[in-house]
Amino acid sequence: DQQVKQNSPSLSVQEGRISILNCDYTNSMFDYFLWYKKYPAEGPTFLISISSIKDKNEDGRFTVFLNKSAKHLSLHIVPSQPGDSAVYFCAASMNDYKLSFGAGTTVTVRA
Amino acid sequence: NAGVMQNPRHLVRRRGQEARLRCSPMKGHSHVYWYRQLPEEGLKFMVYLQKENIIDESGMPKERFSAEFPKEGPSILRIQQVVRGDSAAYFCASSPPVSGNHQETQYFGPGTRLLVL
Repeated sequence: DQQVKQNSPSLSVQEGRISILNCDYTNSMFDYFLWYKKYPAEGPTFLISISSIKDKNEDGRFTVFLNKSAKHLSLHIVPSQPGDSAVYFCAASMNDYKLSFGAGTTVTVRA
Repeated sequence: NAGVMQNPRHLVRRRGQEARLRCSPMKGHSHVYWYRQLPEEGLKFMVYLQKENIIDESGMPKERFSAEFPKEGPSILRIQQVVRGDSAAYFCASSPPVSGNHQETQYFGPGTRLLVL
């Protein structure tokens, strides 16, 4: 049972433009959400997180938005850079250690 | 400050052999988590350990899989009598002790890619 879904397996974006990655979840008990970035042959690297008591969290070029009523979150990357080309995983937890991951979205930033 | 270390990075085993995957957490981290990633899927939680204790192994297959985190040395994920379906990337993560109600971020190692022939 896939509780965290990333329905877009890939995204291509022009350098300098905005990348928007989407994530949906089904378990209303999730109250902590994270985004990880992963390069080939490496482990996931933590990017940004958001608690369910917030609807937005910003860190530099990365902003995560949470819509609890829609059980939806998104990651905005502005402006996109070539080094942002990677696989992005959305993850969620019930404020404990057990992370549930989506299948990932492969982002390609075109020069 | 070295990150989470995993070895080997690649492991090839024949069906029926044993696989041992090692994970050294980041300095100062006492919590270790193992995840498995099958092709085209996200990471799936397997087990959560603290030093000398298994806290939650609800994601571990009931047979052939075991994990430990001894007082000294790395955490070990052991798979006995491997089958082709065990072929996957196995990631270890670590985090510092939980402080209050704040959830600590998990930091991942580079993974071990297991191939069962």
